[in-house]
Amino acid sequence: QQQVKQSPQSLIVQKGGISIINCAYENTAFDYFPWYQQFPGKGPALLIAIRPDVSEKKEGRFTISFNKSAKQFSLHIMDSQPGDSATYFCAATDNYGQNFVFGPGTRLSVLP
Amino acid sequence: EAQVTQNPRYLITVTGKKLTVTCSQNMNHEYMSWYRQDPGLGLRQIYYSMNVEVTDKGDVPEGYKVSRKEKRNFPLILESPSPNQTSLYFCASSPWDSSAGYTFGSGTRLTVV
Repeated sequence: QQQVKQSPQSLIVQKGGISIINCAYENTAFDYFPWYQQFPGKGPALLIAIRPDVSEKKEGRFTISFNKSAKQFSLHIMDSQPGDSATYFCAATDNYGQNFVFGPGTRLSVLP
Repeated sequence: EAQVTQNPRYLITVTGKKLTVTCSQNMNHEYMSWYRQDPGLGLRQIYYSMNVEVTDKGDVPEGYKVSRKEKRNFPLILESPSPNQTSLYFCASSPWDSSAGYTFGSGTRLTVV
């Protein structure tokens, strides 16, 4: 019940295209859903996050869509750029933002 | 610069030889945690600490120890490393406000032969 599922495992997108990564969870107590971006040789960094009281959050080219009834959330990267090539992790937590459960990650490659 | 510093970045050791990976943060964060990252498994939590002298097990604590004697430091100890502990390790910290998210260190790549 603590698991967060993430798909696809890898994604290749042309420059300017839309990248979509999906996550699903089981624990209805989760109340905070961040996405992390990790470049090779670096630690993950917080990209964008959402709480279940809203269905969508947008920051620049990055948008989280949240479906509480389906227990799913997704990351959309509009106008994808080669600099977006990285591994993306979705995560969830239910304890004042501590003890995150992470998805297995999606390796995104944006072709020039 | 606000950061989480891990040392060493790379470590090759032999089975059974005790080692310590250090982690230090300069943001006065209450919460610190250790994760290991393995292909296809994502980030799995090893141990976490809510504050000084308060630690608890995560999802994969077997074979690891931690301590939190000072707020800024949270070392990870492998008393008797085994090859299945070969992995990429990350230390992370955060304040109580969850909207700030984690700040991760740059990682320690450990190989146990």
